[in-house]
Amino acid sequence: AQSVTQLDSHVSVSEGTPVLLRCNYSSSYSPSLFWYVQHPNKGLQLLLKYTSAATLVKGINGFEAEFKKSETSFHLTKPSAHMSDAAEYFCVVSDFNKLVFGAGTILRVKS
Amino acid sequence: DSGVTQTPKHLITATGQRVTLRCSPRSGDLSVYWYQQSLDQGLQFLIQYYNGEERAKGNILERFSAQQFPDLHSELNLSSLELGDSALYFCASSVGGGEKLFFGSGTQLSVL
Repeated sequence: AQSVTQLDSHVSVSEGTPVLLRCNYSSSYSPSLFWYVQHPNKGLQLLLKYTSAATLVKGINGFEAEFKKSETSFHLTKPSAHMSDAAEYFCVVSDFNKLVFGAGTILRVKS
Repeated sequence: DSGVTQTPKHLITATGQRVTLRCSPRSGDLSVYWYQQSLDQGLQFLIQYYNGEERAKGNILERFSAQQFPDLHSELNLSSLELGDSALYFCASSVGGGEKLFFGSGTQLSVL
């Protein structure tokens, strides 16, 4: 079975500084990987997805993620954090058409 | 184990029928969210309840309805089922509306 591990339960950054949310995956074959964001009182929103095309995936709101097979990682980054980025982020892997969620990382953005 | 319980795990039914999916949130969590995951549309947010009241609404069809009971468990009712309603339905809970989210393992609905 496939799984994902989000290495940090909480990340705190200052506005305007880079964001790095870490995710490692475990898969016996080439996985489909996603990042979702959950803002307070809203549903999950898809940020980006990797499906074995380009290893650097660009998503919405300036986020991107790089698939590194050698490191089994799919870290989410953004060059400059904005206050509106404060939310919970989920790394997700598709396992035979079922989504398997990581535990989530809460991003806090300080002014 | 996230602490969120969804029943049943699998459900097979026929077109035109009605089914009820049940979700028990983690102890102490007041918010419940419902999501639909299908092959063609990915993960779609359906609806959120907070302490018995509807808090947010997503792409939920009129044939679908949900409620949250005083003991905070929630039910998602799907009626006049169509083949396209076949999907995995996730429930999630959180303490409030902005706290950490915990997901159940889902109910796989197959409409034949």
